[in-house]
Amino acid sequence: DAGVTQSPTHLIKTRGQQVTLRCSPISGHKSVSWYQQVLGQGPQFIFQYYEKEERGRGNFPDRFSARQFPNYSSELNVNALLLGDSALYLCASSLGGTKGVYFGAGTRLSVL
Amino acid sequence: DQQVKQNSPSLSVQEGRISILNCDYTNSMFDYFLWYKKYPAEGPTFLISISSIKDKNEDGRFTVFLNKSAKHLSLHIVPSQPGDSAVYFCAASFSGGYNKLIFGAGTRLAVHP
Repeated sequence: DAGVTQSPTHLIKTRGQQVTLRCSPISGHKSVSWYQQVLGQGPQFIFQYYEKEERGRGNFPDRFSARQFPNYSSELNVNALLLGDSALYLCASSLGGTKGVYFGAGTRLSVL
Repeated sequence: DQQVKQNSPSLSVQEGRISILNCDYTNSMFDYFLWYKKYPAEGPTFLISISSIKDKNEDGRFTVFLNKSAKHLSLHIVPSQPGDSAVYFCAASFSGGYNKLIFGAGTRLAVHP
């Protein structure tokens, strides 16, 4: 069975641009979460979606937005990119709770 | 406010010996704790977890201990193997917190022959 898949694997953008990251959860998983991991730190929670509804949001500015589609895949959008947005963005899926949360390999975003 | 702390950024252990990774938390509302392992260019991989109603959980070479009064948990790896070399993250969550995991900064474990 396929795990959590994320695309693209790497991305280079310039300041002020917009970016869309994509995630496909494990088959049967209805919950998707997004995390940002800056070098030297642990992943930081951005969003959680369950059954296409936002269920949680971390301490991130409104430039960050996300959505979940009927097939449970998800997109993370970041507008007006800043240098500080350079990070590894991780998607995680689960059946619903925090037991059995599986992560994708991430999208490495570099903002120049 | 860092609610989950891993105060040792790195740990070096000889193959065959025990590795002990530590984690402290500040929020007494946390009731579920997890350990993840991360290799370069891969996402975090779930290792082992423990509920706050237990003080120990074991899975093969991995054992997690929870001391609620001290708000401290530890991961023991016995015996350590070179393939265990990775970054280990401690994470915590609340009941009903869905997928919201709060991570520590990680400890880089190096197991040398």
